[in-house]
Amino acid sequence: SAVISQKPSRDICQRGTSLTIQCQVDSQVTMMFWYRQQPGQSLTLIATANQGSEATYESGFVIDKFPISRPNLTFSTLTVSNMSPEDSSIYLCSVGTGGPNYGYTFGSGTRLTVV
Amino acid sequence: AQSVTQPDIHITVSEGASLELRCNYSYGATPYLFWYVQSPGQGLQLLLKYFSGDTLVQGIKGFEAEFKRSQSSFNLRKPSVHWSDAAEYFCAVGAAKLIFGTGTRLQVFP
Repeated sequence: SAVISQKPSRDICQRGTSLTIQCQVDSQVTMMFWYRQQPGQSLTLIATANQGSEATYESGFVIDKFPISRPNLTFSTLTVSNMSPEDSSIYLCSVGTGGPNYGYTFGSGTRLTVV
Repeated sequence: AQSVTQPDIHITVSEGASLELRCNYSYGATPYLFWYVQSPGQGLQLLLKYFSGDTLVQGIKGFEAEFKRSQSSFNLRKPSVHWSDAAEYFCAVGAAKLIFGTGTRLQVFP
């Protein structure tokens, strides 16, 4: 399965600032996703990162708050903009693979604390 | 609407005891089903998955799960729990994207 490198692993940020999270995959993948896991909660899909086009956002998430880039098939970034304490969460990158090894692999996550 | 329900928020078992974590799903088509485990401060690790074929699926770490279409369930089982199995367990369903259940926190007593 694909190996995902996600950076930073954790950060503490001031409210009102922005943080960009990077996700690097060791192979080309078509499907790439960003999830949020709020403290003590399950995972919620933020958006699907589409290579060469705008990301597809889930209900409740908007591009102005969570801009996403996907310049190629191995890399994506998620920016958390104008942060507030409510944005304190773990953000996870995920990739989907098809064929006989169909499934989803997750990065180790970015633990974000907004103060 | 597509959804996943994990009825048990928290389960406590003794080491060596058997384990069953429940998962019920609502999905319009043939479901792709997954179980993931998340240890404290860690990412998600895939335990097993089901797409088709044999409804009893074997996974890593001695886990297995059984797909029951009539009950819309995909329960995770382990015959003998180890202290290192203490973690959060997530059931998920989906094809083009995953929908996660709320998770079950497993605590293991020695």
